Amino acid sequence: GAVVSQHPSWVICKSGTSVKIECRSLDFQATTMFWYRQFPKQSLMLMATSNEGSKATYEQGVEKDKFLINHASLTLSTLTVTSAHPEDSSFYICSAASLGQNYGYTFGSGTRLTVV
Amino acid sequence: KQEVTQIPAALSVPEGENLVLNCSFTDSAIYNLQWFRQDPGKGLTSLLLIQSSQREQTSGRLNASLDKSSGRSTLYIAASQPGDSATYLCAVETSGSRLTFGEGTQLTVNP
Repeated sequence: GAVVSQHPSWVICKSGTSVKIECRSLDFQATTMFWYRQFPKQSLMLMATSNEGSKATYEQGVEKDKFLINHASLTLSTLTVTSAHPEDSSFYICSAASLGQNYGYTFGSGTRLTVV
Repeated sequence: KQEVTQIPAALSVPEGENLVLNCSFTDSAIYNLQWFRQDPGKGLTSLLLIQSSQREQTSGRLNASLDKSSGRSTLYIAASQPGDSATYLCAVETSGSRLTFGEGTQLTVNP
């Protein structure tokens, strides 16, 4: 089945630094990738949608200059949290889809970000 | 705006029991509905995907139904096992390839 690899699985960083999270589709070409954020005991909230080669579309309230998304190829998308602050600490999950194929959505294993 | 609600929020059952998780959504104009499982601190594992034209899907001990007109889906788990303990999320896909998630049902199956 479709596999999405997300790295790192956890990261601790100091306030003010930037952190990059990678999301790779291993055995299919992902036309679209999605980035979600999940707070403890809450559901997933969509942050942004990115199509390969295009600028990401951000959800209302998500700062595009803070959460930089790159989707340069059909198998790789990255989320960079810039100038991280403790309130950015959360669980970030990516999802990849090959739209039009009715494969549904395949999720990465998530990244636990802790900003100290 | 699509809203997805899952009931109950938490459920604890003894091993071997059959159980039903409920999901409701406010806008019936969906493309599909998907049930996921999430273990603590992990990503999501897709369990079942029901297209809008379908009524149900089955995989092993899992059966999911969809009543699009009434905005409801159920996930039936037969003969529950301790390994089924996890949070179960339902999500509907609407226009623009958007997935809207419910807040999940936290299931505990006690040995």
